[in-house]
Amino acid sequence: QLQLQESGPGLVKPSETLSLTCTVSGDSISSSNYYWGWIRQPPGKGLEWIGSIYYSGKTSYNPSLKSRVTISVDTSKNQFSLRLSSVTAADTAVYFCARIAYCSAGYCYGINAFEIWGQGTVVTVSS
Amino acid sequence: IQMTQSPSSVSASVGDRVTITCRASQPCSSWLAWYQQKPGKAPDLLIYAASSLQSGVPSRFSGSGSGTDFTLTISSLQPEDFATYYCQQANDFPLTFGGGTKVEIK
Repeated sequence: QLQLQESGPGLVKPSETLSLTCTVSGDSISSSNYYWGWIRQPPGKGLEWIGSIYYSGKTSYNPSLKSRVTISVDTSKNQFSLRLSSVTAADTAVYFCARIAYCSAGYCYGINAFEIWGQGTVVTVSS
Repeated sequence: IQMTQSPSSVSASVGDRVTITCRASQPCSSWLAWYQQKPGKAPDLLIYAASSLQSGVPSRFSGSGSGTDFTLTISSLQPEDFATYYCQQANDFPLTFGGGTKVEIK
C-alpha cells in the first residue's frame, strides 16, 4: 500500500532555509504516471500548493513562492525534497507531501487529484 | 486560476442536504477535485474529475459541473461529515485550492 511520510526539522529560524523530505513506500517514485507535490497549510487557514516534481526532475512551482522554492527528487532513495529559502513567520505551517497524476495532451495516467497524502509535518519559523 | 468557494461556512443538522459551490476564474474543463479535512488530519480525496467518486467514499457524496461552476452535494449529512471541504482545480499549473467551507453542527 502506497504511503508518504514527511520528515525534517520542526523549527527553523527566520531568514534560514526550510528543508523537508518525503519518503515514498509501496510504489516507485520513478513511475511515469505521477507527479509528486508539496502543499502547506498555515495555522487556521486553507491549503496552498507549493510545487510538484516529475521523476525526470521536471518541476512546476507556485508563482508566489517560485523565487524561494526548490523541489528535487532522489529516485535511488525513493524520496523527493523541498527547500524553501529566506523563511519568515508567514511560512509557519503544516507541510504535506502528496501524489497526483501526470497528464499530457488532455490524457491523465492516473487520478488527476491529490489522491495520496502524507500525514503532514508542522514547521514553525521562530528565533 | 482563482477558485472561489461558497459559503465559507454552513450550519446543518444530521440528515440535511448540503450543497457547496466552487467557481473558477477561468474554465478548467472537468479537472476539479473535492477534499474533506478534519482537524489535525491530512485532506481526504472525495471526488475527482468533477463527478467521479473516489474509491471507498460513501455514495451520499456527489459532484457535478464543468467549465467554471462546480458543486459538491452531501445528500444526507451524517455525524462524521462535519469537517472542512476544499475544491481544487487540476486543469493546469499552478494548481489552486478554494478557500474552504466549514460544515458545522446546527
